This record gives sequence, C-alpha cells and structure tokens, in this order.
Amino acid sequence: KQEVTQIPAALSVPEGENLVLNCSFTDSAIYNLQWFRQDPGKGLTSLLLIQSSQREQTSGRLNASLDKSSGRSTLYIAASQPGDSATYLCAVRSLGGSRLTFGEGTQLTVNP
Amino acid sequence: DVKVTQSSRYLVKRTGEKVFLECVQDMDHENMFWYRQDPGLGLRLIYFSYDVKMKEKGDIPEGYSVSREKKERFSLILESASTNQTSMYLCASSLTGRVRETQYFGPGTRLLVL
Repeated sequence: KQEVTQIPAALSVPEGENLVLNCSFTDSAIYNLQWFRQDPGKGLTSLLLIQSSQREQTSGRLNASLDKSSGRSTLYIAASQPGDSATYLCAVRSLGGSRLTFGEGTQLTVNP
Repeated sequence: DVKVTQSSRYLVKRTGEKVFLECVQDMDHENMFWYRQDPGLGLRLIYFSYDVKMKEKGDIPEGYSVSREKKERFSLILESASTNQTSMYLCASSLTGRVRETQYFGPGTRLLVL
C-alpha cells in the first residue's frame, strides 16, 4: 500500500527566503506526482504535476523535482512571499488506478 | 475554467440523521471523487465514480454511500450520521483516467455531527 510522507509538518520563514518542502513515497510504481496548495478552510489547487518519466517541472517561482527510484520529491519556492502562506500537499498516483494518495501536508507561514 | 461546487460550506447535523452532500462539476468530467480530510490523517478517499451509475470504494467507505445519476453530479450520503464523521469533505473531478489528468477540487464542506 502506497504511503506518502511530508517533512516538515510546519515551516515558518521570513519573506524573501528560498525554501524546500519534502515529500517521500514508499512505492515507486507511480504514474505521476502532484503538488497542491490549500488555503485555510478551502479546497485544493493543483500547482505542479510531474510525470513518472520527468525529473522536474517549473511554474514561476515554483520548481518541483522527482526522483522516482528513491521515492522522493521536493518543491522549491524561490523568493517566498506572505501570499505563499498555505498548506502544501503532495500526492502520488500509483500505477493501475485513478486514485491519489496524499501526504499530510506542510503548513508554510511566510512572515513579512 | 473548471468549476467544482459543493452544496454547503458548513453543515451541522445530529447523530442518526441522514445527510446528503452534493457536488457538481461543469466541465463534463468523467471521474468524480469524495475525500475526507482530518488533522493528522490527511486526505482519505471515500468513494469515486468513473461514469454515471458507476462507483468504486475508496479507502474508508464504511458508513457512506454515493449516488451518481447524472454525469455532472456526485452525491455523498451518510445514512446515519455519527460524531466520528465530523470532518471536512472534499469533492474532486477529473476529465478521464489518463496519466496527465489532474483532479480539480471543490471548496469543501465542513460537517459537524452533534
């Protein structure tokens, strides 16, 4: 059974800092891995989707990498802003299915 | 833009009541999903549907049922609500099961069972 772990559970940084969020998964037989953002009391918004054959994806100040063989992904946020404050969730889609397995998320606070 | 809507943002029900949570998507998506989200447990899949009248159990289906009579609408039913079903419920949809497809989420329904 696929398990997804995110470290750290919470992170507080000053504005402007570059930061890395970590995600690990136990079964490398995946279609893809996604990073989502969730604002308090709201639904999830997809940020980046990396196919299993890809090593990284970039969108603006966000860069996500995938090392499938070691079961790890990182989300790099450059020049963080207070508006980046949210919970970031990692999810993997395992081979043979449509369902996603989620990590518990990293709660990020960027202080002005 | 894909829009997934959920019938209520907040809901308070009593133990034993039958509860209906509705989800509607406006992009002709084939797949729809119901999750619950709890502190320390993350998002867990309750049920999903890949076509009208088709459904498949997720990881925690006990105490829930679902209905998909029309493609755009996916309902989650709590037959007899219990306090341990107090949670945030999130609906999602995706166009097909293809590898590159992402899931689009609704705003969530926060359910409190007293």
